[in-house]
Amino acid sequence: DAGVIQSPRHEVTEMGQEVTLRCKPISGHDYLFWYRQTMMRGLELLIYFNNNVPIDDSGMPEDRFSAKMPNASFSTLKIQPSEPRDSAVYFCASSLSGNGYTFGSGTRLTVV
Amino acid sequence: AQSVTQLDSQVPVFEEAPVELRCNYSSSVSVYLFWYVQYPNQGLQLLLKYLSGSTLVKGINGFEAEFNKSQTSFHLRKPSVHISDTAEYFCAGGTSYGKLTFGQGTILTVHP
Repeated sequence: DAGVIQSPRHEVTEMGQEVTLRCKPISGHDYLFWYRQTMMRGLELLIYFNNNVPIDDSGMPEDRFSAKMPNASFSTLKIQPSEPRDSAVYFCASSLSGNGYTFGSGTRLTVV
Repeated sequence: AQSVTQLDSQVPVFEEAPVELRCNYSSSVSVYLFWYVQYPNQGLQLLLKYLSGSTLVKGINGFEAEFNKSQTSFHLRKPSVHISDTAEYFCAGGTSYGKLTFGQGTILTVHP
């Protein structure tokens, strides 16, 4: 099992540009989560899906953020337009009904 | 609402000493509890989990935790730490199969 795969590992972009982060969950997992981690705010849950359906997006900071899960094996988190305060490490995690999360290695986003 | 509190933001210890990282949760219903470890520039890795059954849970790397319902605690322990245990540790809990609430993290630093 390759685990949860995130791409890219690092992303540097200019303010105002669109950024798309990608995640491939573990096959068979029915939950997918997007988290953001910063020194100031720790781990923040942005949105999560159950069986590809968004369940709770109350953590999405602004309308500039959107997430999709078109099928069970792929999800994207998009920021448009990006701002310097969006700089953080973004983690994707998947789980099978309560057995704990498996996290990806994260995408380190720097917006300059 | 479910909340998870890690009582220490930083814990310094010497190599081969015992360590306890404290975690308290708030809930009036059955809980699922987890400990994760994050090494620098990596994602979170599951150390151990409590879903039901025995209150003493053993995990990877010699760590264990005890679920104490009366004290609403789930403290993480290791009898003898190594330099390689230096990392950030997160306690997490949930009352449903999906969403977990994470604590703010405890940075464990093991000194030679």
